[in-house]
Amino acid sequence: DTGVSQDPRHKITKRGQNVTFRCDPISEHNRLYWYRQTLGQGPEFLTYFQNEAQLEKSRLLSDRFSAERPKGSFSTLEIQRTEQGDSAMYLCASSPEPGGTQYFGPGTRLTVL
Amino acid sequence: AQKITQTQPGMFVQEKEAVTLDCTYDTSDPSYGLFWYKQPSSGEMIFLIYQGSYDQQNATEGRYSLNFQKARKSANLVISASQLGDSAMYFCAMRARHNFGNEKLTFGTGTRLTIIP
Repeated sequence: DTGVSQDPRHKITKRGQNVTFRCDPISEHNRLYWYRQTLGQGPEFLTYFQNEAQLEKSRLLSDRFSAERPKGSFSTLEIQRTEQGDSAMYLCASSPEPGGTQYFGPGTRLTVL
Repeated sequence: AQKITQTQPGMFVQEKEAVTLDCTYDTSDPSYGLFWYKQPSSGEMIFLIYQGSYDQQNATEGRYSLNFQKARKSANLVISASQLGDSAMYFCAMRARHNFGNEKLTFGTGTRLTIIP
């Protein structure tokens, strides 16, 4: 049984560019979560999905951020017009049930120059 | 609102000794879950242990145990017989369980544990 995978692991981009990250959850996990972690801090919740439905979004998710899970399997997180403040680790997690333990992927480290 | 406080930014422990990582929490929800995760330098968050607010006994998972004191709102992680591979950041987190609409984890700022040979 494979764990949560994320791609890419590292992304360096210039300010103003768009970036997209992908997350593949553990098979048959219907819940998928996105978090952001800045240096020296714990992860902060961004959004989560139950199958293809996006059920909650944090205030941290500005209009430059959009997340999708079109077929209820993998998810993408897109950041438009990146800013230096977007530099962070973006973590994805999945869970098999409401309120279940969340299992995290290795994260995508974004650096905006 | 939920809040997790980890007051130990860093700890140094001799190999094979036991170590306690502190975590206090604040919530108004009557039902909640508490988690500990380990984050090595590679970045992945590794689930260690879970405690439900209504669980009668403290949770244990191998060398990990959770010292849950509900009245004091503390959920300290105890690692017995520490190993060099235990060196990492450790995060305490909580999640309310009162409804399905609140599934996000709230994390503390973490404790960096270094095991000394």
